[in-house]
Amino acid sequence: EPEVTQTPSHQVTQMGQEVILRCVPISNHLYFYWYRQILGQKVEFLVSFYNNEISEKSEIFDDQFSVERPDGSNFTLKIRSTKLEDSAMYFCASSRPYKETFFGQGTRLTVV
Amino acid sequence: TQLLEQSPQFLSIQEGENLTVYCNSSSVFSSLQWYRQEPGEGPVLLVTVVTGGEVKKLKRLTFQFGDARKDSSLHITAAQTGDTGLYLCAGAGGGATNKLIFGTGTLLAVQP
Repeated sequence: EPEVTQTPSHQVTQMGQEVILRCVPISNHLYFYWYRQILGQKVEFLVSFYNNEISEKSEIFDDQFSVERPDGSNFTLKIRSTKLEDSAMYFCASSRPYKETFFGQGTRLTVV
Repeated sequence: TQLLEQSPQFLSIQEGENLTVYCNSSSVFSSLQWYRQEPGEGPVLLVTVVTGGEVKKLKRLTFQFGDARKDSSLHITAAQTGDTGLYLCAGAGGGATNKLIFGTGTLLAVQP
């Protein structure tokens, strides 16, 4: 069964450093997403991406964040100058138009 | 702002008991998806309900979408220890971009 895969599973970084989280969405999906879940809180939408551009973003997704589809299979989330409060589980997800969303297993980001 | 409230937040029951989890909002959603999440992992899709009043069954799990598409319920019959986990509802606002608003979650513990 096709699945969304994310790497790394756990990333530890120092405050102020840049991190790139990577994802391989399901191959025939056209919409890609990043969500975030701070420990003990609910899953929050960050951004959606379609046709090589951002289609929607939340208030959380400020200039510190960027997304890219560098090739035909990968989808990345870059966080510049990480802050302590960026520590969270980051989930990549993908979907076909008007269809349900499938999530990856997540990357646990710890900013120290 | 669209919000989804789930109740109860926590539920501890004995194996064999029945239970119902509720997901409520003041907003209308085009569809509602139910996920189950294990600690440290991504949400795993259980079901999608689309039509007001729709009922879907997945073995011992019964999902219902409210007539007005503002609320949903998950009923588990004869719970098993393997049902233990975090249950999340997530509403989609419509359109090809399936941006999801997640509920607050219900943590279910089924005791042997």
